[in-house]
Amino acid sequence: NAGVTQTPKFQVLKTGQSMTLQCAQDMNHEYMSWYRQDPGMGLRLIHYSVGAGITDQGEVPNGYNVSRSTTEDFPLRLLSAAPSQTSVYFCASSYSRTGGLYTEAFFGQGTRLTVV
Amino acid sequence: GENVEQHPSTLSVQEGDSAVIKCTYSDSASNYFPWYKQELGKRPQLIIDIRSNVGEKKDQRIAVTLNKTAKHFSLHITETQPEDSAVYFCAASKGSASKIIFGSGTRLSIRP
Repeated sequence: NAGVTQTPKFQVLKTGQSMTLQCAQDMNHEYMSWYRQDPGMGLRLIHYSVGAGITDQGEVPNGYNVSRSTTEDFPLRLLSAAPSQTSVYFCASSYSRTGGLYTEAFFGQGTRLTVV
Repeated sequence: GENVEQHPSTLSVQEGDSAVIKCTYSDSASNYFPWYKQELGKRPQLIIDIRSNVGEKKDQRIAVTLNKTAKHFSLHITETQPEDSAVYFCAASKGSASKIIFGSGTRLSIRP
């Protein structure tokens, strides 16, 4: 049971380049999300999904796109990288039990992205 | 939307003493309040959570309290140990079709 797997672990991009951060989970979780972590800013929600085919914006969605074609995968696309997107990115998943209550969110190991 | 504020941003306590971290939330419909611990260079991991139908929950040296009327919840760590040094995050959510919003984190240091 691999849990939540993110790739790559490290990435350096030039300003204006695009790329996709991959996230996959093997726990059949309905809920998946992407956060960015900056010093002193905590974990800020970028986009989230409550199931295949359903996505919604979080607190800081500008400059990022997501899609959820399968339950297992939730890729995050940077459309045109900017230095302000230098951050550590975490993907997380959890499931919603009957009654609408969440259980534990499991995080991937993170992707450290630098935009120069 | 939901906003979660967390205080203090840094906290230093003597080993063996207690540590308290406080959070407030803005959306009265929030019903799930987890706490995560993040060690240096690692991913956040759940340490305890509380749902809106209870006021307090304990797990060994860790406890969480919830005051729905005031919209605040707190993490209490007793008999602190060196391995408690980490960044702690509180979070709030409204349930299965809703996002999880995190506070800005508290860096806890345990002095020997």
